[in-house]
Amino acid sequence: ETGVTQSPTHLIKTRGQQVTLRCSSQSGHNTVSWYQQALGQGPQFIFQYYREEENGRGNFPPRFSGLQFPNYSSELNVNALELDDSALYLCASSPTGQSNYGYTFGSGTRLTVV
Amino acid sequence: AQSVTQLGSHVSVSEGALVLLRCNYSSSVPPYLFWYVQYPNQGLQLLLKYTTGATLVKGINGFEAEFKKSETSFHLTKPSAHMSDAAEYFCAVRHSGSARQLTFGSGTQLTVLP
Repeated sequence: ETGVTQSPTHLIKTRGQQVTLRCSSQSGHNTVSWYQQALGQGPQFIFQYYREEENGRGNFPPRFSGLQFPNYSSELNVNALELDDSALYLCASSPTGQSNYGYTFGSGTRLTVV
Repeated sequence: AQSVTQLGSHVSVSEGALVLLRCNYSSSVPPYLFWYVQYPNQGLQLLLKYTTGATLVKGINGFEAEFKKSETSFHLTKPSAHMSDAAEYFCAVRHSGSARQLTFGSGTQLTVLP
């Protein structure tokens, strides 16, 4: 079975620009979560998508938004990029209905804002 | 609200020595606890998880962790360190809300000395 795949792997953007990151969930997983991992820190929850709707959100401003598609893949969009948005963005998927399941993480997208 | 504290941002052990990485949690409900490992420039890989049942949990690569409710701890151990164990380790607790997101500790960087 395929795991979680993310694209692109690296990205450099200029402050004020917009960026879209993409994630394909593991086969059979219909829930997708996004995390931001700043350098030297643990990942922080951004939001989760289930059935194409946002199912929960962490402490991130509205300029962080997302989508989930019928095939369960997902996008993370960040508008008006700030220097502090530089981080590793991780996507994680899980199957619904298995309450004791962990999450399968992708390798991440490294975003650098200059 | 759930939270996790990892004591020791850096731990060094000699090859063949015991590995002990500390994690304490705070949770208002019975916690689901996880340990993840992150190798450089990679995503997170699940080492082990505690949900319910046996408090001693065995994971991959010879790691295990013991859930101690009285001490609110979930320390990670491995009897004999290997050079390939050098990585960053994150303890996480899963929330009980609809999103069931993970809250991570700040991580412990494990160095294995020859």
